[in-house]
Amino acid sequence: EPEVTQTPSHQVTQMGQEVILRCVPISNHLYFYWYRQILGQKVEFLVSFYNNEISEKSEIFDDQFSVERPDGSNFTLKIRSTKLEDSAMYFCASSDGQGWEEKLFFGSGTQLSVL
Amino acid sequence: TQLLEQSPQFLSIQEGENLTVYCNSSSVFSSLQWYRQEPGEGPVLLVTVVTGGEVKKLKRLTFQFGDARKDSSLHITAAQPGDTGLYLCAGGEDGNKLVFGAGTILRVKS
Repeated sequence: EPEVTQTPSHQVTQMGQEVILRCVPISNHLYFYWYRQILGQKVEFLVSFYNNEISEKSEIFDDQFSVERPDGSNFTLKIRSTKLEDSAMYFCASSDGQGWEEKLFFGSGTQLSVL
Repeated sequence: TQLLEQSPQFLSIQEGENLTVYCNSSSVFSSLQWYRQEPGEGPVLLVTVVTGGEVKKLKRLTFQFGDARKDSSLHITAAQPGDTGLYLCAGGEDGNKLVFGAGTILRVKS
């Protein structure tokens, strides 16, 4: 079965540093998402992306966050100046449609640790 | 803000037993999904329910969506150690943005 690939699997950074989390969605998918899961807490929606622009974002996704699809295969999440509370597992997901009937595929996640 | 509450938080049972996990909300969702998540992996979709009262079966797993589309249940018959994992429910208005419950950790002992 096709899969969403995320790199790196673990990222350790110092507070205030910029990080870029990378994702390769499933090749024919058109909708891309980032979710995060702080240890012991719920999976939370961050942002959705379609047709080279953000279609929806949550309150968590403030000015420190940005997403980009730099080429035809990668989808990145950038955190400009990391904070301790950004430590979490970040999941990328993709689907080929937006309706309820479309299956959302999640990657294995990037564990971000901000020290 | 839409919230999904899952119960129980933890469930430890013997192989062969039956169990039911619940997902409840005060809000109406147009669809509700159940995921299973293994340690170190992302959630994997098990099923999507859309119609109030809908029942879907996936081998030994039975999923039901409440008539009012505010709650759902997952019933596992004759649980096996391979069923061990974190079970998440998630609701949404469409596939664009999902609200997740906190999950039920299931452990099936052999």
